[in-house]
Order: sequence, then structure tokens, then C-alpha cells
Amino acid sequence: GAGVSQSPRYKVTKRGQDVALRCDPISGHVSLYWYRQALGQGPEFLTYFNYEAQQDKSGLPNDRFSAERPEGSISTLTIQRTEQRDSAMYRCASSLAAVSGNTIYFGEGSWLTVV
Amino acid sequence: SQQGEEDPQALSIQEGENATMNCSYKTSINNLQWYRQNSGRGLVHLILIRSNEREKHSGRLRVTLDTSKKSSSLLITASRAADTASYFCATARVVGSQGNLIFGKGTKLSVKP
Repeated sequence: GAGVSQSPRYKVTKRGQDVALRCDPISGHVSLYWYRQALGQGPEFLTYFNYEAQQDKSGLPNDRFSAERPEGSISTLTIQRTEQRDSAMYRCASSLAAVSGNTIYFGEGSWLTVV
Repeated sequence: SQQGEEDPQALSIQEGENATMNCSYKTSINNLQWYRQNSGRGLVHLILIRSNEREKHSGRLRVTLDTSKKSSSLLITASRAADTASYFCATARVVGSQGNLIFGKGTKLSVKP
């Protein structure tokens, strides 16, 4: 596709359930990023990949959160045993590389609501 | 913690007026980026200014950077209703890499027709 594609766009889940959010980056982009954004706040870094290698996962809030990019393209962010505080927009982005100066393209996000 | 801090938090102007938003940051940077987020839509990269640049223009956008004060400003001239959005500045947590960007809370701009 032309841009970063995320699915689902909207997800409502019950507390305690696992959710998987998918990101399809721009073709050929080496770097893929996950951010989380609460209402009224700026995006908050979660993790990023170069190809299939997870370079930095320092932003993942706890061990219920994990991400993978097994073939260096599509990525999945998984949240296990969801809690209400996990409710937020989860944004994926990609760029040619994670080197300073490369434009980062964001998807439209996946809204997660945990009830 | 958020490094980029924008002010004002909210700004309301009439169409045709100029809008100025400011951003402050705390650490050394290679560059600073500005993004726009329309309501319910994706985050769009607007402009990047490098640490050795003081001013940069792109269409109706003018960005300045003062590394001595660790601050940047975004000026939108001749604003339009379509400019209504939230604007964020972002800097890299690690100089030279943008794998981990730090965003501010944003300035919510409302342009009234």
C-alpha cells in the first residue's frame, strides 16, 4: 500500500483478554516503530525494529506488552491480560532507516478500549 | 518523561491570522521535527530543522531553532480553517538516531472561518 496500514482501526476488548494489533509498513522501509498515545497527550515511544531485529524496547510499559516483526515487514504488537489503563491509540510508523533525518510516516492508529 | 513541551496548550485564531507555537526541549539534539495531527487522523510530518540551522521555510510554515535556549517555534502564516489540528514537536532520545522520539503534549490550534 501507499502508506502505513494498521488493523484493526478500532478494538473493544474485555479486561483480561489478549489483543494483537497489526502494522503493515510502507514497502521497503527498514525501520518500524510503535507508539502509544493517550487522549490529549503526545505519542509515547514503545519499541522499534530495524528489519526483524528489535532495537529498542525500553518504552514497553511492562512484560504484558510484546512486539515482533518476524520477516522484517509486518509487525504485531501484543498486549496480554489487558487492563483498562491500556486503553489508548496505538500508532505504528515506518521509515527508510532510523538514522536521524529520515522522514517517519505514521499510520492512522488502532484505537484500543478495554472495558 | 516528555522532553518536548509545546506552548501554548491551545490557540484559537481567525482565518488569515498567523499562528505561533513554541517548543522547548532539554537535551542535545541533531534535529527537531514538527508534526500535525488532525482530529482522529494520522500524525503527519511537517518539517525537520537540523541543529546547525536557525530557520527553515516550507510553504506557509516557518520554523526557527535556538539551540542556546533549547527552543523552537513553528509559525503558520495566513492560517486557514484546514490548519485546525494539534501540532507536536519531537526530538530524538539518542542523538543521531530517531528510533526513539520524544513528543511534547502538543498545541491544539483552532482556526475559525
